[in-house]
Amino acid sequence: EDKVVQSPLSLVVHEGDTVTLNCSYEVTNFRSLLWYKQEKKAPTFLFMLTSSGIEKKSGRLSSILDKKELFSILNITATQTGDSAIYLCAPGGIQGAQKLVFGQGTRLTINP
Amino acid sequence: GAGVSQSPSNKVTEKGKDVELRCDPISGHTALYWYRQSLGQGLEFLIYFQGNSAPDKSGLPSDRFSAERTGGSVSTLTIQRTQQEDSAVYLCASSLGPRNPYEQYFGPGTRLTVT
Repeated sequence: EDKVVQSPLSLVVHEGDTVTLNCSYEVTNFRSLLWYKQEKKAPTFLFMLTSSGIEKKSGRLSSILDKKELFSILNITATQTGDSAIYLCAPGGIQGAQKLVFGQGTRLTINP
Repeated sequence: GAGVSQSPSNKVTEKGKDVELRCDPISGHTALYWYRQSLGQGLEFLIYFQGNSAPDKSGLPSDRFSAERTGGSVSTLTIQRTQQEDSAVYLCASSLGPRNPYEQYFGPGTRLTVT
């Protein structure tokens, strides 16, 4: 069974700190890895990573994929209370399937 | 443009009743997906539509679950004879389909509570 493991499961930091969230996966032959932010119900799209070693950035958020070592990281610098959410990673295109396979998520709490 | 919409936002039903959940994807998105998220769990894939066809139904947990899509747009997920373990948030997502299948955009979900 395809396995996606995120760590830590929960993280509490102070506003202004930098955090690194990890996603490791025991799947091969996938096309892309996606990161989502889930604050209430709807996950919102953050990044789609297809190529290994190429960092994607959006403001204070950045992410990179390592297909050789089978992991991805999501970095958030200068955290704000609005960054508090569950962050989900999901490989897509495993064995050609269209579905995303989600990890259990990291619950990030930013204290003022 | 408008995002993915779902209705109802909340549904409380008695065990044994049937429920229908609706999803309206982003205009122009040919692919539509249903996932569910049980309390404290990750998102679990249910079914995928390309147009009106469902090439992957592998995530439907039992034959009480069915889904259809009409006109390449709106989809309905039906759960018959609901059980308490069906209680979850049901999320719908859509994508551009074969052009970019993995960049999926989610709706606000339907929270289903079976009493």
